[in-house]
Amino acid sequence: EVQLVESGGGLVKPGSSLKLSCVASGFTFSSYGMHWIRQAPKKGLEWIALIYYDSSNKYYADSVKGRFTISRDNSKNTLYLEMNSLRSEDTAMYYCAKLEFDYWGQGVMVTVSS
Amino acid sequence: NIVMTQSPKSMSISVGDRVTMNCKASQNVGNNIAWYQQKPGQSPKLLIYYASNRYTGVPDRFTGGGYGTDFTLTINSVQAEDAAFYYCQRIYNSPNTFGAGTKLELK
Repeated sequence: EVQLVESGGGLVKPGSSLKLSCVASGFTFSSYGMHWIRQAPKKGLEWIALIYYDSSNKYYADSVKGRFTISRDNSKNTLYLEMNSLRSEDTAMYYCAKLEFDYWGQGVMVTVSS
Repeated sequence: NIVMTQSPKSMSISVGDRVTMNCKASQNVGNNIAWYQQKPGQSPKLLIYYASNRYTGVPDRFTGGGYGTDFTLTINSVQAEDAAFYYCQRIYNSPNTFGAGTKLELK
């Protein structure tokens, strides 16, 4: 059974940093690209980043480019999202998803507030 | 960047009705569109990929269509459990932009 489990969320102050993790199981993690998607409270879905299976390519939404970094450790079956210079508008549920968006995690909440 | 525009924003439908919702891409995306269903407190679930392919386990009352810039998701004989938000998304090429969603309510 495919499982994606996010962690690392919480309440942080504007300007601070946070690193999210997504542990994958039930499929060959090292063979698939992975995404991060977020959803602000009562709002729609926003795709924010993609990393290829071998980390050779990374893509970002304009809203996070230069502040967020997607990475992965295939030896640990883990996807990461490092978030710097956090703003109130980054407050959202953050989901990881497998390349074809066929599997999603349950999400982890990030709240940016003073 | 490509913008995905969904319409209508919301719709109220009776059980057993047929409903069609729309998704328009600002540029030609071929058939690189997916549709998702999201219920409150849950992660999105993939319904349709590459515009018209039903994902594993999705009931056949869900049908996707379209090509290029105009796409539709049709639900035949809507059931009570279909009340949810529905999102379209450009897939295959990044950025994988989502539409703003259509809220389907049951009368």
